[in-house]
Amino acid sequence: DAKTTQPPSMDCAEGRAANLPCNHSTISGNEYVYWYRQIHSQGPQYIIHGLKNNETNEMASLIITEDRKSSTLILPHATLRDTAVYYCIAGQTSYDKVIFGPGTSLSVIP
Amino acid sequence: EPEVTQTPSHQVTQMGQEVILRCVPISNHLYFYWYRQILGQKVEFLVSFYNNEISEKSEIFDDQFSVERPDGSNFTLKIRSTKLEDSAMYFCASDSGRGADQPQHFGDGTRLSIL
Repeated sequence: DAKTTQPPSMDCAEGRAANLPCNHSTISGNEYVYWYRQIHSQGPQYIIHGLKNNETNEMASLIITEDRKSSTLILPHATLRDTAVYYCIAGQTSYDKVIFGPGTSLSVIP
Repeated sequence: EPEVTQTPSHQVTQMGQEVILRCVPISNHLYFYWYRQILGQKVEFLVSFYNNEISEKSEIFDDQFSVERPDGSNFTLKIRSTKLEDSAMYFCASDSGRGADQPQHFGDGTRLSIL
């Protein structure tokens, strides 16, 4: 799996968009970008993944740069319940282990 | 939405005792995993399991650990003789195997406390 780099922490005002960046400059052509989050004392929760096109689901949007060396997870209207550690992973998670880094600790502030 | 369920949510065990952690993966999923997270640390891979065999295991997964899918629905992690350093959250995960990009889905974990 390619190494990813994320800021250790971020704050976001409640109701505003949270934009979480991730660098994955060594990602290879067949590796996907996945985002998970871990709310305190719970298991990692899958959010979204993509290869090269931007993706959107009911939880978030994923923007991947054209060169695929970085991506941004967007939570369009952050709520207090979005306070969590967010993990960006580059690889293929089926048939293979997920390697979690330290992630970004997002605090949504009232 | 289907989810991975784990029992018990909290297990307290004396050092040296055997413990079995149980997981019910998402129905029709084919690949199964155990991870652990020591308090304040990263989530670490332990073992992956497919077709009733271990596919891969980490250095953490030594002879004290074993996994089993006894009845086609449960997936268990056994620690034969627990040590204080086994205290951690243990997460089970599964994926459908219907494509290399399929995400893993995690349970909410079992908190194992060794006294």
